This record gives sequence, C-alpha cells and structure tokens, in this order.
Amino acid sequence: GGIITQTPKFLIGQEGQKLTLKCQQNFNHDTMYWYRQDSGKGLRLIYYSITENDLQKGDLSEGYDASREKKSSFSLTVTSAQKNEMAVFLCASSPGTGGGFSYEQYFGPGTRLTVL
Amino acid sequence: QQKVQQSPESLTVSEGAMASLNCTFSDRSSDNFRWYRQHSGKGLEVLVSIFSDGEKEEGSFTAHLNRASLHVFLHIREPQPSDSALYLCAVSDTGGLSGKLTFGEGTQVTVIS
Repeated sequence: GGIITQTPKFLIGQEGQKLTLKCQQNFNHDTMYWYRQDSGKGLRLIYYSITENDLQKGDLSEGYDASREKKSSFSLTVTSAQKNEMAVFLCASSPGTGGGFSYEQYFGPGTRLTVL
Repeated sequence: QQKVQQSPESLTVSEGAMASLNCTFSDRSSDNFRWYRQHSGKGLEVLVSIFSDGEKEEGSFTAHLNRASLHVFLHIREPQPSDSALYLCAVSDTGGLSGKLTFGEGTQVTVIS
C-alpha cells in the first residue's frame, strides 16, 4: 500500500498573495494530478504530470503554476489568490495513463484554501 | 467536450432501503466509469470501476452501465448511516493520453436511522 500526503491541510491567504501547495506520494506512481473542488461539487483538473519534470495543463490551469520536482512530489502554486476564494485542492496519483487501459487514481485528503 | 451530470442533487434514504444514483455522460466513446465516495472533509474513495455494459458489484455497491443510453447508475444496497457522503461519478477515455477523469457535481446522500 501507499499514501498521499498533502501539506498544508488548511491554508489561509490574502488577496493577491502567491500560495504554494505540496503533494507527496510513496506509491512510486508515474502520474500525478491536481484537482480543484468547490464546495460540495465535482472535481476539475488543473494540472497533471506523467513523469518527473513533465507538466500538462488541465481544464482550469489559468491562475496556477505547477512543478514536478521529483517523481514522488508535485507542487501547485496559486499565482494570485482571489478575494473570498474558498476551495479544496486534491492531489492524486496513478501508475500510468491511457494506452488502452485506465489506471486507478488514488487521492490525498486535500488542502482547504480560504482567501480573506 | 465531455459533460457529466448527476441526479438527484441530494438524496435522503432510510437505513436498509436501496439508494439509486444516476449519472449521464455525453461522449459515447467513453469506456471507463468510476463511482467515488467522499466523506465530509476527506479525500475520495473509489467504490466501483466499470468498463463494459452491464453490472458490476463491489460489496454493497452495484454499478450498472448502459452506453447506448449514456447512463451509469450506482445502487447502494442496505445503506448505513456511515454511507452518508458525497457520491461522485467520473468518466474517462482510455484511448486518451492523460488518464483524465471528468467528474459530475455529485449527489449528497444522507442515510437516516
């Protein structure tokens, strides 16, 4: 088994601030994802990475940067926090992507962002 | 672009009664469907993955896929109060390169004693 760790668990920021969220996985998975979830809603893909140093934009990449420093870690930066923004950011990992087989994605517990 | 919709938005069921959730999708080439459960303040837990028409059972959860009608259902048999959670449907295309999941907005299920 493995685990996905997200830090911090809660993040409070100011309008215009740059904020960084971190994700670590010990599954030795190749692919990692960042999703945003608004209150009680479904998830939207922000960025994903299929290997170390790779970055691919999702549907919601504007306003975010990402970095895959090593295979086990994937960071997300909110480039300029929006006033009154509240959301949960979920990190996930999977052994691979596509190729006629869809690998299971495993999710972390999330980082809850509040912008004052 | 894939669209995934779930109904109802919220559902209250009595303990032990069957609960049925509906998910519709727009892309007929989709071939990978998952149901997740999310307890309040927690991450996602995969319940059932289904790849072909018909039914698939995992414990007290049964997924039923009908691609011709663009529907995938989740039935919860004898739900318990601990099954109260947000249930999310996710759809992907295994021919794609991203493994990208498109999620519905969820059904909030409350199980009462």
